[in-house]
Amino acid sequence: GQQVMQIPQYQHVQEGEDFTTYCNSSTTLSNIQWYKQRPGGHPVFLIQLVKSGEVKKQKRLTFQFGEAKKNSSLHITATQTTDVGTYFCAGLYAGNMLTFGGGTRLMVKP
Amino acid sequence: GAGVSQTPSNKVTEKGKYVELRCDPISGHTALYWYRQSLGQGPEFLIYFQGTGAADDSGLPNDRFFAVRPEGSVSTLKIQRTERGDSAVYLCASSLGGGGTYEQYFGPGTRLTVT
Repeated sequence: GQQVMQIPQYQHVQEGEDFTTYCNSSTTLSNIQWYKQRPGGHPVFLIQLVKSGEVKKQKRLTFQFGEAKKNSSLHITATQTTDVGTYFCAGLYAGNMLTFGGGTRLMVKP
Repeated sequence: GAGVSQTPSNKVTEKGKYVELRCDPISGHTALYWYRQSLGQGPEFLIYFQGTGAADDSGLPNDRFFAVRPEGSVSTLKIQRTERGDSAVYLCASSLGGGGTYEQYFGPGTRLTVT
């Protein structure tokens, strides 16, 4: 079936360092969404990317959608302890359902 | 305004029993989704409702799982003859529209433990 692969699975960074998580699909996506889940919490929507090559920024977060609409990335500049959590990408293929990646768990050392 | 709510927050049941999990979506949201999340994994799609009807139930693992949304608002996920492998957090999400193109608002989840 269609799968969205996400790497790395875990990332430890020192506060102030940058962080990037990558999302890859073997087939073209209609769109991609990113969610953040804090420890013990539920996924919270961050952003949706629709267009080929799209780049969106939210303060220290930069989201990119690949030209072929098969990959995406989330980059956080100068991480803070409040960035701790698991970041999920979720891709939409033809149809109604989002397919979530396995997530990247970010841990930030103060 | 109120977000998505789910009850109960925790449910412990014995293998073979029947359980019902409830989801109250955000008022006015026509689309409702059920997901299952196991520890360390991403949410796994189960079923999607647009209004009262199940528009996509391709994620339901087998016929022990069933969900309804009779009035287009509250939804109930029903699991018959529970098995230990059903233990997970069951998440509900709602959105203004369907088709996977709208922001989804997740509830806090129901943690189901089958002993």
